[in-house]
Amino acid sequence: NAGVTQTPKFQVLKTGQSMTLQCAQDMNHEYMSWYRQDPGMGLRLIHYSVGAGITDQGEVPNGYNVSRSTTEDFPLRLLSAAPSQTSVYFCASRLDSFSGNTIYFGEGSWLTVV
Amino acid sequence: AQSVSQHNHHVILSEAASLELGCNYSYGGTVNLFWYVQYPGQHLQLLLKYFSGDPLVKGIKGFEAEFIKSKFSFNLRKPSVQWSDTAEYFCAVNPMDTGRRALTFGSGTRLQVQP
Repeated sequence: NAGVTQTPKFQVLKTGQSMTLQCAQDMNHEYMSWYRQDPGMGLRLIHYSVGAGITDQGEVPNGYNVSRSTTEDFPLRLLSAAPSQTSVYFCASRLDSFSGNTIYFGEGSWLTVV
Repeated sequence: AQSVSQHNHHVILSEAASLELGCNYSYGGTVNLFWYVQYPGQHLQLLLKYFSGDPLVKGIKGFEAEFIKSKFSFNLRKPSVQWSDTAEYFCAVNPMDTGRRALTFGSGTRLQVQP
């Protein structure tokens, strides 16, 4: 049982490049989400999904796309990277939409946009 | 929009000192409340959570938090900190009667415990 797996752990992009951060969970969780963590701002929700085929925007969705074709995978796509997207990204999953269930976080992906 | 405030951004304590980290939220309805911890180089882990019932919640590693509804607060406490408690601590809130289903995190408090 690997939990929540994110790849890559580290990435450097040039402004304007696109890339995808991968996230997979093997716990059969319905709910998955992406956060970005920036100094002094805590974690901010980018996008979330309550099940396969269903996604919705969080607090800071601009510049990011997501899809949820399977229960296990929830990739985050940066369409045209900007220096403001330099951050640490965390994928998280939870059994279902009930917020009382424990959220499990991935180990984070450090992204630098130059 | 709801918000979560952690007023202590950086706290430095000596081992065995007592700890209290403040957390206030702005939402007026029923909420679920959480404290997460992030040790250096690791991902976030749940320390404790409150849904209902006894407002004093006990978590792992000797941490506890008290929900005071009238003050919209959920402060984290530990009677005697250890060097291994050095980490960043995040308070998080989820209103129960919205469709958002997602947590709103505070900006975090970095705790440094000196031996």
